[in-house]
Amino acid sequence: GAGVSQSPSNKVTEKGKDVELRCDPISGHTALYWYRQSLGQGLEFLIYFQGNSAPDKSGLPSDRFSAERTGGSVSTLTIQRTQQEDSAVYLCASSYSHTETQYFGPGTRLLVL
Amino acid sequence: GQQLNQSPQSMFIQEGEDVSMNCTSSSIFNTWLWYKQDPGEGPVLLIALYKAGELTSNGRLTAQFGTTRKDSFLNISASIPSDVGIYFCAGQPSGTYKYIFGTGTRLKVLA
Repeated sequence: GAGVSQSPSNKVTEKGKDVELRCDPISGHTALYWYRQSLGQGLEFLIYFQGNSAPDKSGLPSDRFSAERTGGSVSTLTIQRTQQEDSAVYLCASSYSHTETQYFGPGTRLLVL
Repeated sequence: GQQLNQSPQSMFIQEGEDVSMNCTSSSIFNTWLWYKQDPGEGPVLLIALYKAGELTSNGRLTAQFGTTRKDSFLNISASIPSDVGIYFCAGQPSGTYKYIFGTGTRLKVLA
């Protein structure tokens, strides 16, 4: 079946603009994670969604970052008033549950000028 | 954020050589995962480990869940050029749903 998809694959924006990143998880996966990967670094946890439960937002670096998941499927990560330090690859992953292994999308490469 | 201690950070090896990398943590983990990431791509799952002491193979790859539940290693036998990439370990601490990722091992294979 189809894997996790993300869009756009690349995004270049100007400092101060808002951006929206989209993630389509694997069908039937109830758990969805967002991560940020800075150049040459590991993955930094941002936010976790599980079914209809309240999301764990503990990894969001500032209040400029927010995410939602509509209908338990598609998720959108929004970064307001982007800063240059927001430049990174934003990865989405999904799994059947938090105890199951995660499958990653290809990522969105964000560059803030 | 919290990250695992993964080593080595990078490796340059000759084609045909075996490779070994490991991750250690101060926390007990329920699950260890090993991923490979190619340039411009998301991480792809290689091996998943769910029990202490578990030894699992996937082709030329072998990984083990340490008996202390605080470490894991990944071995690649007879490396080939397409093994080039960044290898990440990820662990799920007991009682949580979050995964903590290692900083990655960058592997380069010289033909």
